[in-house]
Amino acid sequence: DAGVIQSPRHEVTEMGQEVTLRCKPISGHNSLFWYRQTMMRGLELLIYFNNNVPIDDSGMPEDRFSAKMPNASFSTLKIQPSEPRDSAVYFCASSFSEDSPYGYTFGSGTRLTVV
Amino acid sequence: AQSVTQLGSHVSVSEGALVLLRCNYSSSVPPYLFWYVQYPNQGLQLLLKYTSAATLVKGINGFEAEFKKSETSFHLTKPSAHMSDAAEYFCAASGYSTLTFGKGTMLLVSP
Repeated sequence: DAGVIQSPRHEVTEMGQEVTLRCKPISGHNSLFWYRQTMMRGLELLIYFNNNVPIDDSGMPEDRFSAKMPNASFSTLKIQPSEPRDSAVYFCASSFSEDSPYGYTFGSGTRLTVV
Repeated sequence: AQSVTQLGSHVSVSEGALVLLRCNYSSSVPPYLFWYVQYPNQGLQLLLKYTSAATLVKGINGFEAEFKKSETSFHLTKPSAHMSDAAEYFCAASGYSTLTFGKGTMLLVSP
């Protein structure tokens, strides 16, 4: 199993530009999660999906952030327009369910730098 | 709501010394409990998990954790630290919702 695959690994963009982060979950996992990690705020859950349906997006910081999961094997997190304070590492994770006894499997993350 | 507390944002040990990272959770119902490790510039990797079987759980790289219901604790230990153990460690708990993570403990290992 290739695990959770995220792309790109690194993204540098200018303020005001649109940024799209991509995630391929583990086949057979029904839940997908987007996290943001910063030094100041630690690990934050932004949004999660069950069976491709968004369940809780209360962690999405602003309307500039949006996430989609068009099918079971692909999800995107979009930031438009991007701002320097969005600079962080964004992780995607997947699992059998949000309360799975097996825990979550994380991708390697996308390090976003907005200049 | 579930909460997870990790005592100490940084723990320093010498190579060969005992590693003890503390984690307490708040729940009236024993949750599923996890320890994750994050090496620099990498994602979180599952180290071990407790799911109501044996209270002493063994994980990868010689780590183990003991679930103590009376203390609502799930501390992580390793008898002898190695330089390669230097990383950030996260305790997490789940019950009927998404995983709740602690703020993490950075383990520093000196020669």
